[in-house]
Amino acid sequence: DAGITQSPRHKVTETGTPVTLRCHQTENHRYMYWYRQDPGHGLRLIHYSYGVKDTDKGEVSDGYSVSRSKTEDFLLTLESATSSQTSVYFCAISSGQGGGETQYFGPGTRLLVL
Amino acid sequence: KQEVTQIPAALSVPEGENLVLNCSFTDSAIYNLQWFRQDPGKGLTSLLLIQSSQREQTSGRLNASLDKSSGRSTLYIAASQPGDSATYLCAVEGPGGGNKLTFGTGTQLKVEL
Repeated sequence: DAGITQSPRHKVTETGTPVTLRCHQTENHRYMYWYRQDPGHGLRLIHYSYGVKDTDKGEVSDGYSVSRSKTEDFLLTLESATSSQTSVYFCAISSGQGGGETQYFGPGTRLLVL
Repeated sequence: KQEVTQIPAALSVPEGENLVLNCSFTDSAIYNLQWFRQDPGKGLTSLLLIQSSQREQTSGRLNASLDKSSGRSTLYIAASQPGDSATYLCAVEGPGGGNKLTFGTGTQLKVEL
């Protein structure tokens, strides 16, 4: 299994509070991704990173920010959580060498915003 | 905007049956198509990746085909087993770089004894 961990694995928070989710990899892969998974929508890309301090928006980036200060860590921040951000969040990585590489996924973080 | 559809949303079959899962996509300008498996409460595991220049890929009892021009892919599972019970997702990588994937909503498969 690819060395990807996510923390926390479960979190309950209140509307309006900031939340940061962490993704850590031991594979030294260049690309890292944050997805959210919701019933009826499948997985949707929030943000991704193609290197240290290099990030870009995905399909559903509003209300989220990311940072990548080290190759191994990719942080997802909800500046002011809303109930619509209740979801399961997955981190993924890929080597990004030449395109067409598969992505490896972490175990997910279940976030409930009350 | 690329849209990926998977039909059926759920499927229940008896053990030993051969089955086909379907995936369709609206924009044929893809680099590759991937099939993933997701067990309840878990992350995704990659099963097969088909490059746009390929027609099919095989791994064990799994065979995935790709018809890029018609925007379709199928995942064939031979001699299904209860351990195959999971949700199967297809995803396409389009142009624009970044290995970004667009996912379908999945087919939930149950293989019964």
